[in-house]
Amino acid sequence: DQQVKQNSPSLSVQEGRISILNCDYTNSMFDYFLWYKKYPAEGPTFLISISSIKDKNEDGRFTVFLNKSAKHLSLHIVPSQPGDSAVYFCAFSGNTGKLIFGQGTTLQVKP
Amino acid sequence: DAGVIQSPRHEVTEMGQEVTLRCKPISGHNSLFWYRQTMMRGLELLIYFNNNVPIDDSGMPEDRFSAKMPNASFSTLKIQPSEPRDSAVYFCASSFPLAGGPGRGETQYFGPGTRLLVL
Repeated sequence: DQQVKQNSPSLSVQEGRISILNCDYTNSMFDYFLWYKKYPAEGPTFLISISSIKDKNEDGRFTVFLNKSAKHLSLHIVPSQPGDSAVYFCAFSGNTGKLIFGQGTTLQVKP
Repeated sequence: DAGVIQSPRHEVTEMGQEVTLRCKPISGHNSLFWYRQTMMRGLELLIYFNNNVPIDDSGMPEDRFSAKMPNASFSTLKIQPSEPRDSAVYFCASSFPLAGGPGRGETQYFGPGTRLLVL
């Protein structure tokens, strides 16, 4: 029962261009949608989130888009920087405080 | 703030041995989570405490796994006996619920993880 899918295990982007990471979900009860970033040998760190009542949230170079009808979440990073190279996880929560994570997408930003 | 502290950072043990992983959450946080990350299953929630009480342990794989939170500043995850398939990175995370209770988009803060290898 895979409620969250990140279909692209990896993504390679040139520095300065846009990175687009995608996530699909099946559970319509999710209220909050989050993105976490993970560097090797470190724990995931929170990046940006959006509630189900919004369709867009922006924080600097990072923008999260939510399409509830399509059950699709995306993260845009523009412009991409080499320091953005990491594994990105989408995560979803309902009303219990639990987070359900996607499998992760490894982003490589080439100088 | 020191963040979430986990120990040990690395553990190598032999099959059948008992393994104890430790976590100190961020002071003031009243929710604590244990996760396991593997290549096959990604990042999966094992158990979740709120105010030191286990709320959801449906992710605990089997009876060999147990978790305790004797007080607000300490939690353990124990595997007894350990098996090679338990090899993974185990993360502890803590959070403080926003107004309205848990599940309102609060941020979970993760520790650096314990890399466990069971031979």
